[in-house]
Amino acid sequence: DAGVTQSPTHLIKTRGQQVTLRCSPKSGHDTVSWYQQALGQGPQFIFQYYEEEERQRGNFPDRFSGHQFPNYSSELNVNALLLGDSALYLCASSLGQGANTGELFFGEGSRLTVL
Amino acid sequence: QKEVEQNSGPLSVPEGAIASLNCTYSDRGSQSFFWYRQYSGKSPELIMSIYSNGDKEDGRFTAQLNKASQYVSLLIRDSQPSDSATYLCAVSFYGGSYIPTFGRGTSLIVHP
Repeated sequence: DAGVTQSPTHLIKTRGQQVTLRCSPKSGHDTVSWYQQALGQGPQFIFQYYEEEERQRGNFPDRFSGHQFPNYSSELNVNALLLGDSALYLCASSLGQGANTGELFFGEGSRLTVL
Repeated sequence: QKEVEQNSGPLSVPEGAIASLNCTYSDRGSQSFFWYRQYSGKSPELIMSIYSNGDKEDGRFTAQLNKASQYVSLLIRDSQPSDSATYLCAVSFYGGSYIPTFGRGTSLIVHP
């Protein structure tokens, strides 16, 4: 049973560039959430996708955008990168929209460094 | 602004002791509560979920929820060095969908 897979695992960008991160959810899961985790902090919610639509969004600027495909995989795009965007980006999958949606299965993350 | 508060620690306990990790939350409408474990350099892993007041036990782990006090805790019995990690408390409520808000985590060190 494949878990959540993310790519790439590490990447280095310079300020102003754009980045795309990819995620495949756990088999059978239909909901994908993206989180940003800075060093020493808890994960911060970016947005959630369900049925190919953005269902909720956290307090992140429009530079952060995403997409969910018919096979439930997802992409996170960040434009005009800033130094402060350096973080671990976590993709998490879950099933449905019930109270147990908080039972998240995380991928290993994509560590982004912006120089 | 919904907040989840945890003492960042580190909490240091000897091997075999009980480790007690605490979390408070600000939103009285919160409905679902979770504990995640995150080893250094790794991603979070769900270890416990609790949805109603009281205790829930799973092996060496016990989650305790008190909605009146807006307090959730995690007890780890017979702590092992392999339990050394950061423990993240997460709380969710229904705002169109259930989105967990995470605390900053408590670092636990279990020393031999």
